[in-house]
Amino acid sequence: GQNIDQPTEMTATEGAIVQINCTYQTSGFNGLFWYQQHAGEAPTFLSYNVLDGLEEKGRFSSFLSRSKGYSYLLLKELQMKDSASYLCAVKDTDKLIFGTGTRLQVFP
Amino acid sequence: DVKVTQSSRYLVKRTGEKVFLECVQDMDHENMFWYRQDPGLGLRLIYFSYDVKMKEKGDIPEGYSVSREKKERFSLILESASTNQTSMYLCAIYRGGHSQPQHFGDGTRLSIL
Repeated sequence: GQNIDQPTEMTATEGAIVQINCTYQTSGFNGLFWYQQHAGEAPTFLSYNVLDGLEEKGRFSSFLSRSKGYSYLLLKELQMKDSASYLCAVKDTDKLIFGTGTRLQVFP
Repeated sequence: DVKVTQSSRYLVKRTGEKVFLECVQDMDHENMFWYRQDPGLGLRLIYFSYDVKMKEKGDIPEGYSVSREKKERFSLILESASTNQTSMYLCAIYRGGHSQPQHFGDGTRLSIL
């Protein structure tokens, strides 16, 4: 079966670092995507990993371990505007399988 | 900039009505997708299309159909709307290629009364 798990909610303080974990068990794997979704808006692409290791993009980094079926999204120097849902999605052929999303609230 | 336009942001319909949700893209991408998003369930794939006049069932196609007569337009049809189809509907496009992301429209929040 297909299963993608991520925490439902997280909270953090402005300026801090937060790590959002994602574990997956899927029949196929062609990469893992992270999306950000603000309330009432469309998901927007953040990062893509297909090989093991860390991909860094400014304040955001994403890590993948294929052998462990594990990824995380690391957000540094948190800002209030980072309050949003973060969606982990595994690519199987040309389809995406989404987790239920992690709602992050950043407090001053 | 990628542009994916969904015809309505909010829509209210009655049980039993035939409902059309439209999605238009200006990127000439072959692949288009329809999802619904519900609290606690995430995004679930309803139907997708790889090309004009082609369609494939996703994970939850029951109660829905689709139409792709032109490359830029992908329509989702609720044949006879029911209250359990109240949801946020998201259209996405995808160019193809492993590292390419799907790009989403702003969504249609559909309420069936």
